[in-house]
Amino acid sequence: NAGVMQNPRHLVRRRGQEARLRCSPMKGHSHVYWYRQLPEEGLKFMVYLQKENIIDESGMPKERFSAEFPKEGPSILRIQQVVRGDSAAYFCASSPVNNEQFFGPGTRLTVL
Amino acid sequence: QQPVQSPQAVILREGEDAVINCSSSKALYSVHWYRQKHGEAPVFLMILLKGGEQKGHDKISASFNEKKQQSSLYLTASQLSYSGTYFCGTDQGAQKLVFGQGTRLTINP
Repeated sequence: NAGVMQNPRHLVRRRGQEARLRCSPMKGHSHVYWYRQLPEEGLKFMVYLQKENIIDESGMPKERFSAEFPKEGPSILRIQQVVRGDSAAYFCASSPVNNEQFFGPGTRLTVL
Repeated sequence: QQPVQSPQAVILREGEDAVINCSSSKALYSVHWYRQKHGEAPVFLMILLKGGEQKGHDKISASFNEKKQQSSLYLTASQLSYSGTYFCGTDQGAQKLVFGQGTRLTINP
């Protein structure tokens, strides 16, 4: 049973470009969570999704950020018009029900 | 609200014990513990769902005092592989985890 998969693992963007981060949850998991981690800091909740529904997006900036988890395919975290402050590691986690969350390897975004 | 972890950092010799505490100002439904090594993803250690519950595997165990809104992680006879940053994640009823700032554990031979 493959774990949570994220791609790309590393992403470099120039200011103003768009970043698309993908997350494929573990098989049988219908809950997906996105977290952001700045260097030497803890994990900050961004958004919680179930298939085709955003359950909680209270941790996501109102502008430029969006997330989806379509019926088919991976969950996508999209950052438009990236700025230097968006540079961070973005982790996706999945769970079968609202229980223990298993994390993917993360996408390290660098904005030049 | 972010739970508070203590200590922020601890240095041990191999074989020594450590306790990491996690304290919340809000009522907790569950507490999740993770270990993260530098540059890697957090790895799930255990979840505590009930007040007073204690869980453990190998030489790592944890307790959860629902009344005091606290959890503690116990590492006994520490091994070099235990080094990393430990995070508690608290479920405060909104079906998302709010993580503490982390406790950096260094194990020296």
